[in-house]
Amino acid sequence: DIQMTQSPSSLSASVGDRVTITCRASQSISDYLNWYQQKPGKAPKLLIYAASSLQSGVPSRFSGSGSGTDFTLTISSLQPEDFATYYCQQSYSTLIFTFGPGTKVDIK
Amino acid sequence: QVQLQESGPGLVKPSQTLSLTCTVSGGSISSGSYYWSWIRQPAGKGLEWIGRIYTSGSTNYNPSLKSRVTISVDTSKNQFSLKLSSVTAADTAVYYCARDLQQLAHYYYYYGMDVWGQGTTVTVSS
Repeated sequence: DIQMTQSPSSLSASVGDRVTITCRASQSISDYLNWYQQKPGKAPKLLIYAASSLQSGVPSRFSGSGSGTDFTLTISSLQPEDFATYYCQQSYSTLIFTFGPGTKVDIK
Repeated sequence: QVQLQESGPGLVKPSQTLSLTCTVSGGSISSGSYYWSWIRQPAGKGLEWIGRIYTSGSTNYNPSLKSRVTISVDTSKNQFSLKLSSVTAADTAVYYCARDLQQLAHYYYYYGMDVWGQGTTVTVSS
């Protein structure tokens, strides 16, 4: 199975900060990597697919990069509505679409 | 716009079968290049992918759950369903259904879950 890790597991940031979250796969997944945002009590929301493609309707302050085993989600200027937990998910192996453990972004 | 709604018992006894249905509204479950997925999340924990189904009936299951999971689709009712047998307390979670959309990027097709239900809490307890 492909294992996904994320770092950090949590971070504190201020409005306007640039935030970077890292996701690593246990083997190469090319660019078959999605990013989701989840707020408490809500379903996840797809932000980025194919490692760097912005899902329709998602603000341009969100961006993704990477390929192979190392990926990054960047929020260029953190907004109040961005405080949430972020999950990466690989879609390379159709045997199992593994999620990362999540990164919680809260207010400093 | 497409919406998904989970339904089913909120309480299931240990060793019994958990059964949930996801109703698709605002569009046909048969149209487009979609898989239809189930994901769960224990309280305070991360997301676990359970499996997915194409409208042709083709399925993919999480190997760790495969022996207990069945996902089916009823196109006449615009619904797809999850059955998880021999449940234990470890199966207590919020269960989500989602649409797994195929999108073109970098000259290849990629899947991502773009529409989700609100989630339904299932507790396994006697």
